[in-house]
Amino acid sequence: GAVVSQHPSRVICKSGTSVKIECRSLDFQATTMFWYRQFPKQSLMLMATSNEGSKATYEQGVEKDKFLINHASLTLSTLTVTSAHPEDSSFYICSARRPGTGVYEQYFGPGTRLTVT
Amino acid sequence: AQSVTQLDSQVPVFEEAPVELRCNYSSSVSVYLFWYVQYPNQGLQLLLKYLSGSTLVESINGFEAEFNKSQTSFHLRKPSVHISDTAEYFCAVPEGGGADGLTFGKGTHLIIQP
Repeated sequence: GAVVSQHPSRVICKSGTSVKIECRSLDFQATTMFWYRQFPKQSLMLMATSNEGSKATYEQGVEKDKFLINHASLTLSTLTVTSAHPEDSSFYICSARRPGTGVYEQYFGPGTRLTVT
Repeated sequence: AQSVTQLDSQVPVFEEAPVELRCNYSSSVSVYLFWYVQYPNQGLQLLLKYLSGSTLVESINGFEAEFNKSQTSFHLRKPSVHISDTAEYFCAVPEGGGADGLTFGKGTHLIIQP
């Protein structure tokens, strides 16, 4: 099956620093990737849609200058949390759409746990 | 915007007993429905989906879900659960409004007791 990886799986950073999370599709090329955020005991919330070679589309309420998304290749999208604060602590999950599958079918990475101290 | 409600945050069930995980949705457009499963320390995996056609859809590991338009539900069932079914289960619908992402329910933690 399609495999999506994320790196790192866990990261702890100090308030005010920036953190980059990588999302890779390992065995297919993904023109579209998605970034979700999950708070404890809550559902996944779509943050943005990342399209290869173009600017990401952010959901309402998501600060694009704070959550920088770069989809530079067909197998890699990165999410950079800039000037992180404790309220940015969360579980970040990426997914990728595999060509040839249904429009809404997505393959998910294992997630990245971000803790900002 | 479309939304999904999973009323049960946690469902404990004895091994080999039947289980139903509830999902209700609100949608004013064409309905596509998904169940995803997240095993411990793994990413979400598609369990089954309803796009059109038969309202009863099945997965390869014995789960089934039925699309009920009148009740706006897509409950997930399995007649006999195993320890290996212990996981978090998420119901999802497309975001709608031209977006391609998914809107998820809060998830139901299925706990299988020996």
